Amino acid sequence: DAMVIQNPRYQVTQFGKPVTLSCSQTLNHNVMYWYQQKSSQAPKLLFHYYDKDFNNEADTPDNFQSRRPNTSFCFLDIRSPGLGDAAMYLCATSRYAVGSNIQYFGAGTRLSVL
Amino acid sequence: AQTVTQSQPEMSVQEAETVTLSCTYDTSESDYYLFWYKQPPSRQMILVIRQEAYKQQNATENRFSVNFQKAAKSFSLKISDSQLGDAAMYFCAYRSANDKIIFGKGTRLHILP
Repeated sequence: DAMVIQNPRYQVTQFGKPVTLSCSQTLNHNVMYWYQQKSSQAPKLLFHYYDKDFNNEADTPDNFQSRRPNTSFCFLDIRSPGLGDAAMYLCATSRYAVGSNIQYFGAGTRLSVL
Repeated sequence: AQTVTQSQPEMSVQEAETVTLSCTYDTSESDYYLFWYKQPPSRQMILVIRQEAYKQQNATENRFSVNFQKAAKSFSLKISDSQLGDAAMYFCAYRSANDKIIFGKGTRLHILP
């Protein structure tokens, strides 16, 4: 019944080795978000897609990229992971509409950088 | 810019008792949404309750209710009859006019059996 699915749940990568995290949704929502959450901190928005329109947060490092090939899938690419990129990465979706925008979250991918 | 402040990093409550989690926010917008999200350990974040700023009536969802004070910019969450399954990190969140959600730093709630 999972509606927002993130794979893998745990990812280990090496310093500087590119890594891709994936997110898929069965809700047919037009907005998809990527958040970074470090231990005991609030989720921090990295970027979001409104349909195919990409919206990057001003303080998101260039090291982070994203792709959304279709409505259902969204990917987070970290081109050269550093130790500081170790975190939980959360994907969320919503249906943008006036009076709405409840975000539905996936279970997250915990990234470790060795 | 909007900010969300949760002043209680951790709280504990006895099972079956009532607990209130605090949240304040700052905004110049007049119309917005407020949310409480729950993030259990190693599990996904889920919406607990939401409040539209234009509604004066406080939102209620079963054992969860809010005390929304718009003038004071306060949005607290009350959990009645606390259960072991309520143990989680709770995030207060604000939805801005540009459709982004701003989260507070969270309150970790422990339920004591």
